[in-house]
Amino acid sequence: GAVVSQHPSWVICKSGTSVKIECRSLDFQATTMFWYRQFPKQSLMLMATSNEGSKATYEQGVEKDKFLINHASLTLSTLTVTSAHPEDSSFYICSAQDRLRTGELFFGEGSRLTVL
Amino acid sequence: DQQVKQNSPSLSVQEGRISILNCDYTNSMFDYFLWYKKYPAEGPTFLISISSIKDKNEDGRFTVFLNKSAKHLSLHIVPSQPGDSAVYFCAALTGANNLFFGTGTRLTVIP
Repeated sequence: GAVVSQHPSWVICKSGTSVKIECRSLDFQATTMFWYRQFPKQSLMLMATSNEGSKATYEQGVEKDKFLINHASLTLSTLTVTSAHPEDSSFYICSAQDRLRTGELFFGEGSRLTVL
Repeated sequence: DQQVKQNSPSLSVQEGRISILNCDYTNSMFDYFLWYKKYPAEGPTFLISISSIKDKNEDGRFTVFLNKSAKHLSLHIVPSQPGDSAVYFCAALTGANNLFFGTGTRLTVIP
C-alpha cells in the first residue's frame, strides 16, 4: 500500500521555540494533505486542509499564525508550530490524498510533541 | 457517546496463531477506518486502513475486514509474533475529516 511518512515521530522542545513536522507521501503524489491534532481523551480533530501550491484552509478555532502549513510539492507538507507553549503539546497526524486514486487517503504515523 | 467501540480490552494469542481484533461503530457515514498500534510511552503507529467502499484490505501479515451492514471491522494478524504485543486502536474518519478512536485492545502474543 501507499506510504505516508511523518517526521519526527517524537519531539520535545522548550517553550517559545518553533517546531516543524514533515509529512511525506513516499510513493504517490498528494494534491491534498490533512493535518489533525488530538486533544486529551478526545478524538483527533481536523486542523487544516492543505492543497499543493496554495494556502491551507484552516478549521474554525485554529490559529493560522500559530500553526503554519506549507504544501510546496506534491509529496511534502509541513506543519510548523510557532512559539510553542505547553498547551500545544499533543499528538499530530497527517493524511494524504492520492492524486491518481481519487478519495483514497493514507495516514502518517503521527508525531508526538511535548513542549516543556 | 462512543461512536467507535472495542469491546475486548485484552486478547492473548499463542505465537504463530492468528490474532483477531474487533471493532464496532455506530455512524454509518464514516468514510475510512484505520488501525493503529501503540507501544507504552509512544504515540500510535499507523498500521492499515480501509475505505468504506471496500470490504478487505491486506498488507503483509495484516488484513482488515469491513462489514458495513453489521457496522463491524476486524484486524487479522497472521502469524502473530511476540513483537506484535501492543495496544491496538481502531479509528473511523468522518466526512468532515475528524478521526474517532476506539478505547483499544491490548494484544499479548505468547512465545
